[in-house]
Amino acid sequence: RKEVEQDPGPFNVPEGATVAFNCTYSNSASQSFFWYRQDCRKEPKLLMSVYSSGNEDGRFTAQLNRASQYISLLIRDSKLSDSATYLCVVNGGTGGFKTIFGAGTRLFVKA
Amino acid sequence: NAGVTQTPKFQVLKTGQSMTLQCAQDMNHNSMYWYRQDPGMGLRLIYYSASEGTTDKGEVPNGYNVSRLNKREFSLRLESAAPSQTSVYFCASSGGQGAREQYFGPGTRLTVT
Repeated sequence: RKEVEQDPGPFNVPEGATVAFNCTYSNSASQSFFWYRQDCRKEPKLLMSVYSSGNEDGRFTAQLNRASQYISLLIRDSKLSDSATYLCVVNGGTGGFKTIFGAGTRLFVKA
Repeated sequence: NAGVTQTPKFQVLKTGQSMTLQCAQDMNHNSMYWYRQDPGMGLRLIYYSASEGTTDKGEVPNGYNVSRLNKREFSLRLESAAPSQTSVYFCASSGGQGAREQYFGPGTRLTVT
C-alpha cells in the first residue's frame, strides 16, 4: 500500500462545478498536511495547509480526518484556471523530514 | 526575489557521464531538498539537508551525492548517469524543520540515453 494515495483522475468538470478530491495516508503519526498545485511542466506550489479543524481559502476548502486518515480538498465554482494536478502532501512522523507526496489528481475544467 | 533557482533547465547525458545540478535559494531557509518526479509517481526525496553542514539520505539516494555548499546552495551530483535516472529533478527549501511548507525551484529535465 502506498503511504499517500490519491485518485489519479482525470476529473473533467464544467466551469462552475464543485469538485472534491480525497487522499488517504497510512502513517498515523503524520503531523502536517498540505495540498500543492502543479501546472503542466511546472514546479509544485503550495495551495493550502490542512488543519485539524478544517480551513477555507476562498473557493477552496480543506478537511482532515485523523481517525480515518484522509484529507480532502473541495473546489467550488471551478474556473478554467483551476486546471492542474493537485498533490496531497503528508509530513512528519518521527524526525520531521519524512515528506511524502501523493502522485496527484489531474483536474480539467472545461468551458 | 528569485526564490529557488536551479540550473540547468534541461540536460541530455550519455550513460556513464557525470554532471552536477545546482540549486540556490535566497529566502534564508535552513532546510533544502532534492526530489525526482517520474510519470505516475509522486515526488520522491533523494537527499535533504536539515541545516548548513548536514546532509541525509531520503527515499531514493542510490546513484546520487549531494553537497550543502553554504546556507544558500545545495548541489546534486550524478557520478555515472544511468537511463533509470531520466527524470525531472526539483530542488526545494523550507524555513524550518521538515513539517513546514516547501518552496520549489523550476526543475531540471534530465534525459540519459
